[in-house]
Amino acid sequence: EAGVVQSPRYKIIEKKQPVAFWCNPISGHNTLYWYLQNLGQGPELLIRYENEEAVDDSQLPKDRFSAERLKGVDSTLKIQPAELGDSAVYLCASSQGLAGNEQYFGPGTRLTVT
Amino acid sequence: GNSVTQTEGPVTLSEEAFLTINCTYTATGYPSLFWYVQYPGEGLQLLLKATKADDKGSNKGFEATYRKETTSFHLEKGSVQVSDSAVYFCALIPLSYNTDKLIFGTGTRLQVFP
Repeated sequence: EAGVVQSPRYKIIEKKQPVAFWCNPISGHNTLYWYLQNLGQGPELLIRYENEEAVDDSQLPKDRFSAERLKGVDSTLKIQPAELGDSAVYLCASSQGLAGNEQYFGPGTRLTVT
Repeated sequence: GNSVTQTEGPVTLSEEAFLTINCTYTATGYPSLFWYVQYPGEGLQLLLKATKADDKGSNKGFEATYRKETTSFHLEKGSVQVSDSAVYFCALIPLSYNTDKLIFGTGTRLQVFP
């Protein structure tokens, strides 16, 4: 069974430029999460989707961050414009069905903003 | 609020040594508790979990017991191997309707030398 796929794995951009990350969850997983992991810290939830509905986006900085999950499968997280402080690893995870089921994480996208 | 505090790393051990990584939590009610592991270049993987007081989670020789009285979930292994070198995250999901938001500690880097 294929795991959670993320691309790109690494991205370097200049500040004020836009950037997008893509996530393909495990087949059949209706719940999808985006986490932010700063260096030396644990991941923090940005947004959670149940199918195509964002059910928890309270931690998403909506002035510059946006996300979508069209058709309830793949998801894209966008930052526009990027700031130096956005340099971090962006993790995608998915789970199946009810709350409390195991979350499976992708390898992450490491973003460097210069 | 909900939070997790764990041993500050790095933890450096010789092969076959005994491992303890401390984890204490603050949460309302009885959260579910988890240990995740992140091997170099890979995504987070669930190592073990416990969902109620006195439960013991175990996997790959690692164990952790949910202690409500001390609000702790310490990770132990009797004899570590070089291949156990990774970053270990303690995490919780609060007891709350319709949430599976993982709240992570800052992670503990384990380095095992031959």
